[in-house]
Amino acid sequence: NAGVTQTPKFQVLKTGQSMTLQCAQDMNHEYMSWYRQDPGMGLRLIHYSVGAGITDQGEVPNGYNVSRSTTEDFPLRLLSAAPSQTSVYFCASSRTAYEQYFGPGTRLTVT
Amino acid sequence: GQQVMQIPQYQHVQEGEDFTTYCNSSTTLSNIQWYKQRPGGHPVFLIQLVKSGEVKKQKRLTFQFGEAKKNSSLHITATQTTDVGTYFCAGKSGGSNYKLTFGKGTLLTVNP
Repeated sequence: NAGVTQTPKFQVLKTGQSMTLQCAQDMNHEYMSWYRQDPGMGLRLIHYSVGAGITDQGEVPNGYNVSRSTTEDFPLRLLSAAPSQTSVYFCASSRTAYEQYFGPGTRLTVT
Repeated sequence: GQQVMQIPQYQHVQEGEDFTTYCNSSTTLSNIQWYKQRPGGHPVFLIQLVKSGEVKKQKRLTFQFGEAKKNSSLHITATQTTDVGTYFCAGKSGGSNYKLTFGKGTLLTVNP
């Protein structure tokens, strides 16, 4: 099992550009989520999904969209990148909404 | 909304010393989880506590969940250089199906 995979590992965007961060898991987990991690801020929940076709907002959803068309994939879309979105993004999946398995992360810089 | 506060923010110890990090929630939690993140890595699940007053041990690590289910602690006995990293607690309130609220973490460094 590959676990949770994320692509790309690194990305530099210009302000106003859009992009999609990819996340996939091969553990057949129902629950998937996106977090951003900023220095001194811990992990903050952006969006989450409790199953295919079901998504909901977390703590910091503005500027991000998600969709969940399959159990395996949960992409995160940045609509119009801003410097405030410079961060490390982690995708996580969970079978029971308890123990979460995190991907390796995507380091995003917006200039 | 729910807030989870974690102290201290940083802790530097000599190898062999003990270490404790504390987690406090503004609301009663249905469960609390602990994660470890090595520098440059991703968070890795350590343990989950569910019952009031619960104590769990993993080798040199001892985890406690308070009687009121609003606080928790992680204690490491005789730290080793392999313990270096940031330790996060994450709590889930009973009213939320899924949302976990993470503390800001405690960065532990160990001087050999």
